[in-house]
Amino acid sequence: GAGVSQSPSNKVTEKGKDVELRCDPISGHTALYWYRQSLGQGLEFLIYFQGNSAPDKSGLPSDRFSAERTGGSVSTLTIQRTQQEDSAVYLCASSLAPAGGTDTQYFGPGTRLTVL
Amino acid sequence: QKEVEQNSGPLSVPEGAIASLNCTYSDRGSQSFFWYRQYSGKSPELIMSIYSNGDKEDGRFTAQLNKASQYVSLLIRDSQPSDSATYLCAVNWGEYGNKLVFGAGTILRVKS
Repeated sequence: GAGVSQSPSNKVTEKGKDVELRCDPISGHTALYWYRQSLGQGLEFLIYFQGNSAPDKSGLPSDRFSAERTGGSVSTLTIQRTQQEDSAVYLCASSLAPAGGTDTQYFGPGTRLTVL
Repeated sequence: QKEVEQNSGPLSVPEGAIASLNCTYSDRGSQSFFWYRQYSGKSPELIMSIYSNGDKEDGRFTAQLNKASQYVSLLIRDSQPSDSATYLCAVNWGEYGNKLVFGAGTILRVKS
Protein backbone atom coordinates (compact mmCIF):
# COMPACT_ATOMS: atom_id res chain seq x y z
CA GLY A 1 0.00 0.00 0.00
CA ALA A 2 0.98 3.62 -0.41
CA GLY A 3 2.85 5.34 2.35
CA VAL A 4 2.46 8.87 3.64
CA SER A 5 2.75 11.40 0.85
CA GLN A 6 3.55 15.08 1.09
CA SER A 7 3.52 17.95 -1.35
CA PRO A 8 5.31 19.90 -2.52
CA SER A 9 8.64 18.17 -1.97
CA ASN A 10 10.40 21.53 -2.11
CA LYS A 11 9.09 25.04 -1.60
CA VAL A 12 11.04 28.25 -1.93
CA THR A 13 9.26 31.40 -0.85
CA GLU A 14 9.98 34.99 0.01
CA LYS A 15 9.87 36.30 3.52
CA GLY A 16 6.38 37.51 4.39
CA LYS A 17 4.53 35.18 2.02
CA ASP A 18 2.09 32.51 3.14
CA VAL A 19 2.69 28.83 2.35
CA GLU A 20 0.58 25.69 2.49
CA LEU A 21 2.02 22.24 2.94
CA ARG A 22 -0.05 19.15 2.31
CA CYS A 23 -0.01 15.69 3.84
CA ASP A 24 -1.86 12.58 2.70
CA PRO A 25 -1.67 9.90 5.40
CA ILE A 26 -1.69 6.16 4.97
CA SER A 27 -5.23 5.01 4.19
CA GLY A 28 -7.09 4.07 7.37
CA HIS A 29 -4.72 5.86 9.73
CA THR A 30 -6.76 7.99 12.09
CA ALA A 31 -3.88 9.80 13.75
CA LEU A 32 -1.75 12.37 11.93
CA TYR A 33 1.23 14.36 13.14
CA TRP A 34 3.31 17.25 11.90
CA TYR A 35 6.96 17.64 12.84
CA ARG A 36 9.72 19.84 11.58
CA GLN A 37 13.42 19.20 11.34
CA SER A 38 15.98 21.95 11.16
CA LEU A 39 19.71 22.16 11.72
CA GLY A 40 20.46 22.78 15.34
CA GLN A 41 16.92 21.99 16.48
CA GLY A 42 16.54 18.37 15.59
CA LEU A 43 13.12 16.89 14.99
CA GLU A 44 10.34 18.82 16.77
CA PHE A 45 6.68 17.94 17.26
CA LEU A 46 4.23 20.53 15.99
CA ILE A 47 0.67 19.19 16.16
CA TYR A 48 -1.31 15.96 16.52
CA PHE A 49 -4.67 15.18 14.90
CA GLN A 50 -7.06 12.46 15.92
CA GLY A 51 -9.62 12.37 13.14
CA ASN A 52 -10.34 16.00 12.29
CA SER A 53 -9.66 17.40 15.75
CA ALA A 54 -6.32 18.50 17.13
CA PRO A 55 -6.08 17.65 20.84
CA ASP A 56 -2.41 18.60 20.99
CA LYS A 57 -1.17 21.78 19.31
CA SER A 58 1.54 22.37 21.87
CA GLY A 59 4.39 22.37 19.37
CA LEU A 60 3.16 25.12 17.05
CA PRO A 61 5.84 27.80 17.46
CA SER A 62 3.63 30.86 16.93
CA ASP A 63 0.16 31.93 15.84
CA ARG A 64 1.50 32.20 12.29
CA PHE A 65 1.29 28.42 12.16
CA SER A 66 -2.01 26.62 11.78
CA ALA A 67 -3.15 23.25 10.54
CA GLU A 68 -6.36 21.57 9.63
CA ARG A 69 -7.50 18.14 8.66
CA THR A 70 -10.61 17.35 6.69
CA GLY A 71 -12.50 14.13 6.17
CA GLY A 72 -10.19 12.41 8.61
CA SER A 73 -7.62 12.23 5.86
CA VAL A 74 -5.65 15.03 4.17
CA SER A 75 -4.04 17.68 6.35
CA THR A 76 -2.73 21.12 5.46
CA LEU A 77 -0.14 23.01 7.47
CA THR A 78 -0.26 26.76 6.80
CA ILE A 79 2.48 29.20 7.69
CA GLN A 80 1.53 32.84 7.39
CA ARG A 81 3.98 35.70 6.91
CA THR A 82 6.92 33.31 6.64
CA GLN A 83 10.20 34.19 8.32
CA GLN A 84 13.68 32.92 7.56
CA GLU A 85 13.70 30.91 10.78
CA ASP A 86 10.77 28.90 9.37
CA SER A 87 13.16 27.28 6.89
CA ALA A 88 13.20 23.57 7.70
CA VAL A 89 12.00 20.20 6.51
CA TYR A 90 8.36 19.70 7.51
CA LEU A 91 7.53 16.05 8.10
CA CYS A 92 4.14 14.46 8.36
CA ALA A 93 3.53 11.10 10.03
CA SER A 94 0.48 8.95 10.50
CA SER A 95 -0.46 6.06 12.72
CA LEU A 96 -3.27 3.57 12.86
CA ALA A 97 -4.82 4.57 16.18
CA PRO A 98 -3.84 6.47 19.33
CA ALA A 99 -3.34 3.36 21.42
CA GLY A 100 -2.06 5.17 24.48
CA GLY A 101 1.23 6.00 22.91
CA THR A 102 2.12 2.51 21.75
CA ASP A 103 1.34 3.26 18.16
CA THR A 104 4.02 3.36 15.48
CA GLN A 105 4.26 6.54 13.44
CA TYR A 106 5.23 6.31 9.77
CA PHE A 107 6.81 9.33 8.19
CA GLY A 108 6.32 10.89 4.78
CA PRO A 109 9.20 12.15 2.63
CA GLY A 110 8.87 15.72 3.92
CA THR A 111 8.61 19.19 2.41
CA ARG A 112 11.79 21.24 2.37
CA LEU A 113 10.82 24.86 2.95
CA THR A 114 13.29 27.63 2.19
CA VAL A 115 12.39 31.18 3.09
CA LEU A 116 14.54 33.76 1.32
CA GLN B 1 18.38 18.66 30.98
CA LYS B 2 17.12 17.72 27.53
CA GLU B 3 14.12 15.43 27.43
CA VAL B 4 15.82 12.80 25.25
CA GLU B 5 19.58 12.69 25.08
CA GLN B 6 21.89 10.91 22.66
CA ASN B 7 25.57 11.14 21.97
CA SER B 8 25.83 12.94 18.63
CA GLY B 9 28.86 10.95 17.51
CA PRO B 10 30.04 10.20 14.99
CA LEU B 11 30.38 6.63 16.13
CA SER B 12 32.78 4.80 13.85
CA VAL B 13 32.90 1.01 13.75
CA PRO B 14 34.54 -1.42 11.34
CA GLU B 15 32.41 -3.59 9.10
CA GLY B 16 31.25 -6.70 10.91
CA ALA B 17 31.54 -5.17 14.39
CA ILE B 18 28.77 -4.45 16.87
CA ALA B 19 27.55 -0.84 17.01
CA SER B 20 26.05 0.28 20.33
CA LEU B 21 23.83 3.35 20.40
CA ASN B 22 22.53 4.81 23.65
CA CYS B 23 19.71 7.09 24.71
CA THR B 24 18.44 8.45 28.02
CA TYR B 25 15.12 10.15 28.68
CA SER B 26 13.74 12.27 31.48
CA ASP B 27 9.99 11.45 31.65
CA ARG B 28 9.38 8.46 33.92
CA GLY B 29 5.85 8.26 32.53
CA SER B 30 6.99 7.38 29.02
CA GLN B 31 5.85 3.96 27.90
CA SER B 32 6.89 3.65 24.27
CA PHE B 33 10.35 3.87 22.78
CA PHE B 34 11.41 3.87 19.17
CA TRP B 35 14.58 3.80 17.14
CA TYR B 36 14.43 5.44 13.72
CA ARG B 37 17.14 5.42 11.07
CA GLN B 38 17.56 8.47 8.86
CA TYR B 39 19.75 8.59 5.80
CA SER B 40 20.97 11.98 4.65
CA GLY B 41 18.20 13.86 2.85
CA LYS B 42 15.61 11.22 3.66
CA SER B 43 12.83 10.93 6.23
CA PRO B 44 13.10 8.76 9.36
CA GLU B 45 12.22 5.07 9.02
CA LEU B 46 11.33 2.87 11.94
CA ILE B 47 13.93 0.29 12.96
CA MET B 48 12.66 -0.96 16.30
CA SER B 49 10.00 -0.26 18.91
CA ILE B 50 10.15 -1.44 22.51
CA TYR B 51 7.68 -1.10 25.36
CA SER B 52 8.81 -3.50 28.11
CA ASN B 53 11.99 -3.77 30.13
CA GLY B 54 14.54 -6.13 28.67
CA ASP B 55 15.74 -6.97 25.22
CA LYS B 56 13.90 -7.18 21.92
CA GLU B 57 15.63 -8.70 18.92
CA ASP B 58 14.82 -8.30 15.23
CA GLY B 59 17.40 -9.69 12.85
CA ARG B 60 20.69 -7.87 13.38
CA PHE B 61 19.06 -5.30 15.66
CA THR B 62 18.48 -5.56 19.41
CA ALA B 63 16.75 -2.89 21.44
CA GLN B 64 17.28 -2.80 25.20
CA LEU B 65 15.10 -0.92 27.67
CA ASN B 66 15.68 -0.18 31.34
CA LYS B 67 12.86 2.01 32.67
CA ALA B 68 14.36 2.24 36.17
CA SER B 69 17.49 3.81 34.71
CA GLN B 70 15.50 5.64 32.00
CA TYR B 71 17.80 4.20 29.40
CA VAL B 72 17.24 2.65 26.01
CA SER B 73 19.85 1.32 23.61
CA LEU B 74 20.17 -0.17 20.16
CA LEU B 75 22.72 -2.79 19.21
CA ILE B 76 23.52 -3.48 15.57
CA ARG B 77 25.36 -6.74 15.03
CA ASP B 78 27.51 -7.47 11.98
CA SER B 79 27.46 -3.79 11.02
CA GLN B 80 27.41 -3.06 7.30
CA PRO B 81 28.40 0.08 5.40
CA SER B 82 24.70 0.42 4.50
CA ASP B 83 23.97 0.91 8.21
CA SER B 84 25.81 4.24 8.06
CA ALA B 85 23.12 6.79 8.93
CA THR B 86 21.80 8.91 11.77
CA TYR B 87 19.91 6.96 14.41
CA LEU B 88 17.17 8.79 16.23
CA CYS B 89 15.82 7.74 19.60
CA ALA B 90 12.18 8.73 20.14
CA VAL B 91 10.05 8.56 23.27
CA ASN B 92 6.30 9.05 23.58
CA TRP B 93 5.34 12.11 25.58
CA GLY B 94 2.57 14.31 26.75
CA GLU B 95 -1.00 14.03 27.93
CA TYR B 96 -2.12 11.99 24.96
CA GLY B 97 1.00 9.88 24.76
CA ASN B 98 1.26 10.14 21.03
CA LYS B 99 3.65 13.02 20.75
CA LEU B 100 7.14 11.75 20.02
CA VAL B 101 10.11 13.57 21.43
CA PHE B 102 13.31 12.85 19.55
CA GLY B 103 16.91 12.91 20.56
CA ALA B 104 19.35 14.83 18.40
CA GLY B 105 20.50 11.58 16.81
CA THR B 106 23.75 9.64 16.70
CA ILE B 107 25.70 9.53 13.46
CA LEU B 108 26.97 6.02 12.76
CA ARG B 109 29.74 5.35 10.27
CA VAL B 110 30.59 1.79 9.34
CA LYS B 111 33.94 1.50 7.62
CA SER B 112 34.55 -1.26 5.09
